[in-house]
Amino acid sequence: QVQLKESGPGLVQPSQTLSLTCTVAGFSLTSYNVHWVRQPPGKGLEWMGVIWNTGGTRYNSALKSRLSISKDTSKSQVFLKMNSLQTEDTATYYCTTGIGYWGQGVMVTVSS
Amino acid sequence: DVVMTQTPPSLSVAIGQSVSISCKSSQSLVYSDGKTYLHWLLQSPGRSPKRLIYQVSNLGSGVPDRFSGTGSQKDFTLKISRVEAEDLGVYYCAQTTHFPYTFGAGTKLELK
Repeated sequence: QVQLKESGPGLVQPSQTLSLTCTVAGFSLTSYNVHWVRQPPGKGLEWMGVIWNTGGTRYNSALKSRLSISKDTSKSQVFLKMNSLQTEDTATYYCTTGIGYWGQGVMVTVSS
Repeated sequence: DVVMTQTPPSLSVAIGQSVSISCKSSQSLVYSDGKTYLHWLLQSPGRSPKRLIYQVSNLGSGVPDRFSGTGSQKDFTLKISRVEAEDLGVYYCAQTTHFPYTFGAGTKLELK
């Protein structure tokens, strides 16, 4: 059974770096791509980037300078790091296999 | 970026009624492999998005056949026949043909 679960801090201070982990089960990261998508409160969905099964990455150009996605295949984990956080980055962050399977999401608030 | 325009932004329906949601893209969504990567998602209140239809007209696993998708190139439609209470929430179209992947702003389906 394919499962994804996001984890990370619920609160981050402005200008700091956000670190999130997506732990997957039921499939190997050598076979599936994993994407990150975020959703500000009460708003729509924004695709952030993807790490391919091969390990390559592709980012939304709107976030590219601040975003990094990596993975540890042996631990079935995908990592998101985004620096220089601002209040506009307050959102629920989802990892997904790219539309098909989604995690439950983790709410991140950027506030001092 | 490909702009996805969804209409209407909201729908008020009675149980048993049929409804349609439109999604128009600013560019053709036909990929170089000949396939069209236009999908429909449902986000029920407080839940993660769930894939309903992929590649225009293919029903996701476990999705009832009351849902159907049609369209081509830049113009797509989701139809729900005989709306049930569990269908309420926000519907999104999404394209994964062009980077960055983009989503429509959503159509909120509510009970009349």
